[in-house]
Amino acid sequence: GEDVEQSLFLSVREGDSSVINCTYTDSSSTYLYWYKQEPGAGLQLLTYIFSNMDMKQDQRLTVLLNKKDKHLSLRIADTQTGDSAIYFCAGASGGYNKLIFGAGTRLAVHP
Amino acid sequence: EAGVAQSPRYKIIEKRQSVAFWCNPISGHATLYWYQQILGQGPKLLIQFQNNGVVDDSQLPKDRFSAERLKGVDSTLKIQPAKLEDSAVYLCASSPFTGGLHTGELFFGEGSRLTVL
Repeated sequence: GEDVEQSLFLSVREGDSSVINCTYTDSSSTYLYWYKQEPGAGLQLLTYIFSNMDMKQDQRLTVLLNKKDKHLSLRIADTQTGDSAIYFCAGASGGYNKLIFGAGTRLAVHP
Repeated sequence: EAGVAQSPRYKIIEKRQSVAFWCNPISGHATLYWYQQILGQGPKLLIQFQNNGVVDDSQLPKDRFSAERLKGVDSTLKIQPAKLEDSAVYLCASSPFTGGLHTGELFFGEGSRLTVL
């Protein structure tokens, strides 16, 4: 089954770029996802990438996918204090869209 | 469009007591998920329904946890008897996914936080 790993913590200065990394094991995932969780809230989809793509850009967000190394990254340009949250990488396992989440990367943005 | 509704938001019980959580998914969503999120960890899938059938419950501790989805809409998750290690946030999510080339996006509720003393 799918296993997803992420670094646990990232601290950046406001205005800098943030890069959050993720590795996964199941190469059959059709889509790979980035979810955001703010304190006391559920998870919200930030962006996703189809497995036959290498890159997807969506405003300040850039997702890079390296299928050979099974590595996914999320870049946030011009990071703002409102971006402080926990970011989860997820892959789908099996035919029934069973999403497996990493442990999450806590992003702290400081002035 | 109304989101995924969960209740209660918070529950404190003593070990060996029982608790039930309720979830109302987004209207028309065929697939419903219950995840357990322990503090500092990512969500772990407990059970996944498609309509009113179970498609995955491989990580559900069936000796104490049970879940049902009534008429393919609302769902309840029950824990009986609760243990200290069940302290977590229980997240319900729904998806219109029924197979094929759908993005598979999950829509999450705000969660039910359980504390077992």
